[in-house]
Amino acid sequence: QIQLVQSGPELKKPGESVKISCKASGYTFTDYAMHWVKQVPGKGLKWMGWINTYTGKPTYADDFKGRFVFSLEASASTANLQISNLKNEDTANVFCVRGYGFAYWGQGTLVTVSS
Amino acid sequence: EIVLTQSPTTMAASPGEKVTITCRASSSVSYMHWFQQKSGTSPKPWIYDTSKLASGVPDRFSGSGSGTSYSLTISSMEAEDAATYYCLQRSSYPLTFGSGTKLEIK
Repeated sequence: QIQLVQSGPELKKPGESVKISCKASGYTFTDYAMHWVKQVPGKGLKWMGWINTYTGKPTYADDFKGRFVFSLEASASTANLQISNLKNEDTANVFCVRGYGFAYWGQGTLVTVSS
Repeated sequence: EIVLTQSPTTMAASPGEKVTITCRASSSVSYMHWFQQKSGTSPKPWIYDTSKLASGVPDRFSGSGSGTSYSLTISSMEAEDAATYYCLQRSSYPLTFGSGTKLEIK
């Protein structure tokens, strides 16, 4: 069955970096884009952008340009999100979502930024 | 950017009551998609391409609309339907979600 399994929760200090992974299984990884969605605890969903898993080209929403990097380890069917220079407002649950229908979501990775 | 405005923000319905949640887009979109999220879990696809029910979704749910106005309807509210519902447009970048409708059971 199709699954997206994300890495575990992270506790970081402001200014540090974090890398979240999303391992896909049950389908051909390069056939579908991977999107990233942010959810601040108790708030709504915000689209961060997507990465073309065939070419590796990332596209970022305006609010996620600069400190955010989408990358791939295609041989491992894994998409990654790295956030540098973390800020308190980066505290959120981050989901990876398979493209074309948004039918499959990872379980979410909670990133907590606190001094 | 297409802004999606959901209403109501929160509501409570009695078992058996009909429920309608609306999602209005600031510009015309081709389709609307809906997700259900319960506390502590990932959103689940619920209705796609405006009116198609995702796998496992009870047929008391339906979706309709076109252009800038879309809705999700529950014909007869059940306790298990209590959740937050989000609309999503994928017609143009950036993709945008509505702010969510929290539906509670009375």
